Formats: sequence, C-alpha cells, structure tokens
Amino acid sequence: AQSVSQHNHHVILSEAASLELGCNYSYGGTVNLFWYVQYPGQHLQLLLKYFSGDPLVKGIKGFEAEFIKSKFSFNLRKPSVQWSDTAEYFCAVNGELTGGGNKLTFGTGTQLKVEL
Amino acid sequence: DTGVSQDPRHKITKRGQNVTFRCDPISEHNRLYWYRQTLGQGPEFLTYFQNEAQLEKSRLLSDRFSAERPKGSFSTLEIQRTEQGDSAMYLCASSRSTSYSNQPQHFGDGTRLSIL
Repeated sequence: AQSVSQHNHHVILSEAASLELGCNYSYGGTVNLFWYVQYPGQHLQLLLKYFSGDPLVKGIKGFEAEFIKSKFSFNLRKPSVQWSDTAEYFCAVNGELTGGGNKLTFGTGTQLKVEL
Repeated sequence: DTGVSQDPRHKITKRGQNVTFRCDPISEHNRLYWYRQTLGQGPEFLTYFQNEAQLEKSRLLSDRFSAERPKGSFSTLEIQRTEQGDSAMYLCASSRSTSYSNQPQHFGDGTRLSIL
C-alpha cells in the first residue's frame, strides 16, 4: 500500500525567505506525485504534478518540486515566499484503481505561515 | 470550469441520525471520488465512481455508508446511524479519463459534518 510522509507540520517564514517542504513516499507501482494547496477557507487546489519525464516540475505561483527516485522524495520549493502563500500544503501519491481511476494518498499536510 | 460543487457546506446532526451529502462534479468529468478528512490529517480515500459504476470502496467505508451516482452525473453519500467518529470534512473530487495520461483530481469545498 502506498504512503506519504511530510516531515514539517508547521512552518513559519518571513516574506522573501526560501521555502522547502519535505515529502517522502512509498509505492510499488508507477509513481505519479502531486502537491495540493489549501488556502484558508478554500478548496484543495493543484499546485503541480509529476507523471514522467523531467524530474524538476514547475507549478503555479512560482512553486517547483523535484522528484528524486533514489530517495523516494518529492520536495516542494519556492525561492521567495509571499504573505499570500500562507496555506496548508499536501503532498500526495496516486495508486491505481479498477477502471483506471487514481486513488490519492495524502500526507498529513504542512501548515505554512508567512509573516510580513 | 465551474468547479466541483458540494452541498451542504455544513451539517450538524445528533448521533444516530441519517445524513446525505451531494456532489456535483465538473460536467465533462466521468470519474468521481469521495474522501474524508479529519483534523490534522490529509484526505483519505473512501470510494470511486467511473460514470455510474462504483468501482472501488475503501475499508474505511463501513456498512453505514453508501454512495450512489445514478446517472453518472451527481453523486450522493449517505451515512446512516451517525456516530461521533463520523465527524469530519467529506470531500468530493472529479477527474476526466483519457487514453493518454492521468488527469488530476479537482476538489470541491467539502461538507463539514459535526455530530452532537
């Protein structure tokens, strides 16, 4: 069965600081990896995804993530955070379902607070 | 893209009562998923539909839970004889199936269930 581990539960940064959120996964099949973000009062939104190809994936709002197969990791990075990045961030790995659907297994999330 | 719509946003009920939630997926999405999220955790997969067929159910889905998607469009999730442990956010997601690549899931705002 697949699993996802997010190491940082709460992160507090000042604006313009760099961000790296850790994510490790375990899954025996073909890996598809995702980072979702949940802004206060809003629904989960897709930040970026890795299916195959270039292990460095760029997403929305200046976020990127690097898939390192040998480390089973998919860490999220942003060079310079903004106050508006305050949100909860979830890493997820997919598992295949009957009929081709994809069950997402999420980590416990990282609450990011960016201070002015 | 009008997004995934869930109703109601909040539901408060007494232990032992039955509740039903509705999810309207993005119109061209044939796959629909239900997840449950408790405080401090990431969403956990409950069940999945492709069109009107319920293809997978998690072991988390006890006999008190039933989900339907009668015409392959909206879905309902019913919980009978609610218990305290059912208090959670119930999330619906939808995606489009293609022959060439996985499509990410789009999430609704969720229904927050509180059991008194």
